[in-house]
Amino acid sequence: DARVTQTPRHKVTEMGQEVTMRCQPILGHNTVFWYRQTMMQGLELLAYFRNRAPLDDSGMPKDRFSAEMPDATLATLKIQPSEPRDSAVYFCASGLGQQIHEQYFGPGTRLTVT
Amino acid sequence: AQSVAQPEDQVNVAEGNPLTVKCTYSVSGNPYLFWYVQYPNRGLQFLLKYITGDNLVKGSYGFEAEFNKSQTSFHLKKPSALVSDSALYFCAVRSYNFNKFYFGSGTKLNVKP
Repeated sequence: DARVTQTPRHKVTEMGQEVTMRCQPILGHNTVFWYRQTMMQGLELLAYFRNRAPLDDSGMPKDRFSAEMPDATLATLKIQPSEPRDSAVYFCASGLGQQIHEQYFGPGTRLTVT
Repeated sequence: AQSVAQPEDQVNVAEGNPLTVKCTYSVSGNPYLFWYVQYPNRGLQFLLKYITGDNLVKGSYGFEAEFNKSQTSFHLKKPSALVSDSALYFCAVRSYNFNKFYFGSGTKLNVKP
């Protein structure tokens, strides 16, 4: 049963610390999305990649957030330095094809910044 | 600009009754429309999609949705609700030529026994 995996599932950190979240897309999927979910803003697209290349990261605060795909089996989202307002659930999703008709979401990383 | 509106934060329905969760959209060009469901502490799961063709599309768990171009709506429906349908439901839109998805704010469905 192919699934998107994310680590860690939970992260509590202090303001100013670096946070790295990891995502393993479904094997063979060529598109990866990063979303952030909060009560206030709902589900926001932060960035997405196709064939490991970033296609859109306009939803991401550029000064502190960065997203990469070192290889086809790993996507990372890094926050440095973290702030309390970054507290949220971060989801990774993957899909296949030029036209994505279905995204497969991971279980999310719940981040709390104190 | 692309956007999705889910006008109801919450929908309450009794088990066995029909349910409707509303969604309206705004998109340039032909829309690709989706419904996803989120159970507590889980990621979103795909329910169904409209790409082209019949306006009534059927999806997982007995759900269906009706695409109405003139009203720019894509309401989610189910003839007979189950308690296990209780979850958070998201409508999403994607434009034809771009893989960027826009999600609505979500509607919490409560199905009471």
